Amino acid sequence: AQRVTQPEKLLSVFKGAPVELKCNYSYSGSPELFWYVQYSRQRLQLLLRHISRESIKGFTADLNKGETSFHLKKPFAQEEDSAMYYCALSGQNSGYALNFGKGTSLLVTP
Amino acid sequence: DAMVIQNPRYQVTQFGKPVTLSCSQTLNHNVMYWYQQKSSQAPKLLFHYYDKDFNNEADTPDNFQSRRPNTSFCFLDIRSPGLGDAAMYLCATSLYPGQGAYEQYFGPGTRLTVT
Repeated sequence: AQRVTQPEKLLSVFKGAPVELKCNYSYSGSPELFWYVQYSRQRLQLLLRHISRESIKGFTADLNKGETSFHLKKPFAQEEDSAMYYCALSGQNSGYALNFGKGTSLLVTP
Repeated sequence: DAMVIQNPRYQVTQFGKPVTLSCSQTLNHNVMYWYQQKSSQAPKLLFHYYDKDFNNEADTPDNFQSRRPNTSFCFLDIRSPGLGDAAMYLCATSLYPGQGAYEQYFGPGTRLTVT
């Protein structure tokens, strides 16, 4: 069975502090991992996908197959990063539909 | 701008009264998805279309149906809404996955209230 776990429901950090949003997954085969973000009153949108290996808005995420993790990191959090973050998994087993974690609400305070 | 549009944004219906939610897209994407998101929960896939090929998730209740008359439009029909069906309903689109998954583009959602 495929599953995405985001252990933190809420994460609060100060502006300028490093932030790490955790994501662990279980999947038989080669999954594709994504981070989606939802800012207040906006639609859900893609932030990162692991195969792109790029940095978006200062965020990076590395797929660690040994630890089955895809943690989202940013060295210096900004207030505008406050949002709901969802880790999601996709793969051939599920017809490439997205399987979302429950989400982590990130609050960056001044 | 190319986008995914959902109407209405807010829908109130009575217990047991059929309701239809609509989604349209200008992206010309092959695949359209319907997700249900209850408060403080992850979006949960109900079903999706690869072009006109309908794919139902195993645990989607029979109460939920969908229609896709053409590439641009997709409808979610709830035949007899119960109180437990109150949720945000998200429509999304993507290219046909092929050898891998593509980015999904989400609409703003329709918040359904059942009274």
